[in-house]
Amino acid sequence: NAGVTQTPKFRILKIGQSMTLQCTQDMNHNYMYWYRQDPGMGLKLIYYSVGAGITDKGEVPNGYNVSRSTTEDFPLRLELAAPSQTSVYFCASSSTSGGGETQYFGPGTRLLVL
Amino acid sequence: AQTVTQSQPEMSVQEAETVTLSCTYDTSENNYYLFWYKQPPSRQMILVIRQEAYKQQNATENRFSVNFQKAAKSFSLKISDSQLGDTAMYFCAFNSGGSNYKLTFGKGTLLTVNP
Repeated sequence: NAGVTQTPKFRILKIGQSMTLQCTQDMNHNYMYWYRQDPGMGLKLIYYSVGAGITDKGEVPNGYNVSRSTTEDFPLRLELAAPSQTSVYFCASSSTSGGGETQYFGPGTRLLVL
Repeated sequence: AQTVTQSQPEMSVQEAETVTLSCTYDTSENNYYLFWYKQPPSRQMILVIRQEAYKQQNATENRFSVNFQKAAKSFSLKISDSQLGDTAMYFCAFNSGGSNYKLTFGKGTLLTVNP
């Protein structure tokens, strides 16, 4: 049971480039989340999804897009990378019981925008 | 809006001793959920313990226990018999439950366990 997996582990982008951060979970969780973690800070929610085809904005959605075509996958898209998007990105998932349920995190993707 | 405050940026403890990490939060909700997550150098976020606000009994998981004071809006984590593997960032997090899926995190406490 792999849990939540993320690729790549680390990436350097130039300003203005685009990329997709991949996230897959094998726990059949309906709820999935993307967070970013800036140095010395806790995690902040970027986007979340309550099921295939349903996504919604979190606290800091600007500069990002998401899609959810399957239960397992929840990719995060950066269209025009900016230095402010340098961060560590975590994907998470939780069971179908909704709020209050434990979120299980992936290992993170470290992104550096230069 | 809910806020979570961890007032201790760094702490250290000797192996086998006990340490307590502090967390306070602000909310107008009556039912909610509190979590402690551990982030070791590998950066993987791992759930340590979870507390439901409507349960008065403090949650425990092996060497980890919490002191949940609802009226004071305090949720501290006690680690007993500290081990070198406990060295990590510890984050306190809040969720208001229901249809709100967002976790609000504190800034974290870096705990170092010394041999």
